[in-house]
Amino acid sequence: QQQVKQSPQSLIVQKGGISIINCAYENTAFDYFPWYQQFPGKGPALLIAIRPDVSEKKEGRFTISFNKSAKQFSLHIMDSQPGDSATYFCAALSIGDSGAGSYQLTFGKGTKLSVIP
Amino acid sequence: GAGVSQSPRYKVAKRGQDVALRCDPISGHVSLFWYQQALGQGPEFLTYFQNEAQLDKSGLPSDRFFAERPEGSVSTLKIQRTQQEDSAVYLCASSSGLAGVSGELFFGEGSRLTVL
Repeated sequence: QQQVKQSPQSLIVQKGGISIINCAYENTAFDYFPWYQQFPGKGPALLIAIRPDVSEKKEGRFTISFNKSAKQFSLHIMDSQPGDSATYFCAALSIGDSGAGSYQLTFGKGTKLSVIP
Repeated sequence: GAGVSQSPRYKVAKRGQDVALRCDPISGHVSLFWYQQALGQGPEFLTYFQNEAQLDKSGLPSDRFFAERPEGSVSTLKIQRTQQEDSAVYLCASSSGLAGVSGELFFGEGSRLTVL
């Protein structure tokens, strides 16, 4: 069961353009929504994150928009640069069934972004 | 270095062999996670440690997978009798305190396992 659905699978954007990646989730228990950036051969690195009590968060060129009622959130990359070319993963955080404090990140399948000069 | 270190970076195993993957988390990080990332997919949760206690192993795909963190620092993921479907990148991540507070996990570069 895929609990976080991410689209598009791949995205090509001109330098200076806006990159938009969308995610939808099913589990209403999710209470934290981070975005990770992954370059080839590297591990994912946290880019930006949002909690469901906030509708938007901006850090530099990166903005998360969050729609709690629709259970959707998106990443916007303004003024996209070739150095932004990477795979982006949305994720959602929930407390596991153990009740003792297990924190499982559920990832989307990823979006491969290519920014062309 | 100051980051999460994983070894080996690459491992080729014949089907049926046992493998052990090591993770050195960031010093002082309480929480440690293992994730499995298949080619072209997002990471999938395997198991979670808080210090030496394995609090969640619900993501381990079979009893051939075993993880330990005996002294609350270095962790080892062991896969017995490897199968071709075990081929993936195994990512280790650590976090200070309780990961759920900030959600920020620091990932290593992963161990790429190929089972022939």
